[in-house]
Amino acid sequence: DTEVTQTPKHLVMGMTNKKSLKCEQHMGHRAMYWYKQKAKKPPELMFVYSYEKLSINESVPSRFSPECPNSSLLNLHLHALQPEDSALYLCASSQERTVLSPREQYFGPGTRLTVT
Amino acid sequence: EDQVTQSPEALRLQEGESSSLNCSYTVSGLRGLFWYRQDPGKGPEFLFTLYSAGEEKEKERLKATLTKKESFLHITAPKPEDSATYLCAVQAAGTGFQKLVFGTGTRLLVSP
Repeated sequence: DTEVTQTPKHLVMGMTNKKSLKCEQHMGHRAMYWYKQKAKKPPELMFVYSYEKLSINESVPSRFSPECPNSSLLNLHLHALQPEDSALYLCASSQERTVLSPREQYFGPGTRLTVT
Repeated sequence: EDQVTQSPEALRLQEGESSSLNCSYTVSGLRGLFWYRQDPGKGPEFLFTLYSAGEEKEKERLKATLTKKESFLHITAPKPEDSATYLCAVQAAGTGFQKLVFGTGTRLLVSP
């Protein structure tokens, strides 16, 4: 089973709202990722968690706040977003990689976020 | 700087008309090259991992190959359900082992 689940599928929020995106995997993967994808563009990496610790933050604005409560769950807390933050937000997971064995990432279906 | 370029940007095929998609890369120390398929509004679906030049992987109508400078995704006798965007991504020593550098994708449309 290579399933990554994300909720909600769609989210509409105002610029003053606070909301959260959720991601879950049960593949025993110890690396989890958040990506942002705009229309007709490839996914852009936002955050990487490795063994439940934040290992990469791609200079993402503080209105996006990631959280990894345990090895199976990943959250993205949203606050005071801008309309330009509207996009498809993708979660992914992978086995932890080694120098000699890079690992493929498995993506969830995404959350379509619209900021009004 | 690590770069991945995919061509063509878009490709229209008739059902049964075989073709190839190209992924050229310039990276410092390739660790792995990945092919994904993405349907509109959905997350990328993993297809293949290639590690070293000369390697080939096959799955149904798809075959991926790798050289030292590029990868090809060959589609044999495509069907309309093969219509999707195909993304190529690399993992390289220069950008760190946890990052994927994506190409911009090839949008494939297969007409019946």
